[in-house]
Amino acid sequence: AQTVTQSQPEMSVQEAETVTLSCTYDTSESDYYLFWYKQPPSRQMILVIRQEAYKQQNATENRFSVNFQKAAKSFSLKISDSQLGDAAMYFCAYRREGSSGDKLTFGTGTRLAVRP
Amino acid sequence: EAQVTQNPRYLITVTGKKLTVTCSQNMNHEYMSWYRQDPGLGLRQIYYSMNVEVTDKGDVPEGYKVSRKEKRNFPLILESPSPNQTSLYFCASRTAYSGNTIYFGEGSWLTVV
Repeated sequence: AQTVTQSQPEMSVQEAETVTLSCTYDTSESDYYLFWYKQPPSRQMILVIRQEAYKQQNATENRFSVNFQKAAKSFSLKISDSQLGDAAMYFCAYRREGSSGDKLTFGTGTRLAVRP
Repeated sequence: EAQVTQNPRYLITVTGKKLTVTCSQNMNHEYMSWYRQDPGLGLRQIYYSMNVEVTDKGDVPEGYKVSRKEKRNFPLILESPSPNQTSLYFCASRTAYSGNTIYFGEGSWLTVV
């Protein structure tokens, strides 16, 4: 079974600085998708960034980028120029390509605090 | 506006009193799922549906039922709720194209006393 591990329950960053959130996963599949979701205090689930496993290039969305290391099964999220609005819980998630089921497997989350 | 709508958003109920959490999406998505979120555990899938009349268990299906009679609706039924079903519930949907993004509802807080 696939598992997703976020080893940092809490992180803190100074406003305007850069922070990296870690995520590792375990799978025997070669084709899959990886995601980072943001959950602010409203509890809404907001997609931050996604990565297709077949793509070697790391995904980037404005201030958010990932470091995808397929062999190491690592998928970290880098937030540059951190803003107060980035404070939230962040979840890493995995989804298998073309599965007979349909499931996102989530990590346990990292709570990010942004210091003004 | 593309959205997944859940109701109720907040509910306090008593043990054993049947309840239904509704979920509706307006994007003509084939796939729909229910997740529950608990502290320290992330989100875990309860049930999913790949189309009308096609449903299957996720990781934590005990104590829940679902149905998919129409493409847009995917209600979650708790026949006899217990306190361990106190949680935040999310409905989600996406198209059958595997690369597509999953859309989440806003969540339903359920407390069983």
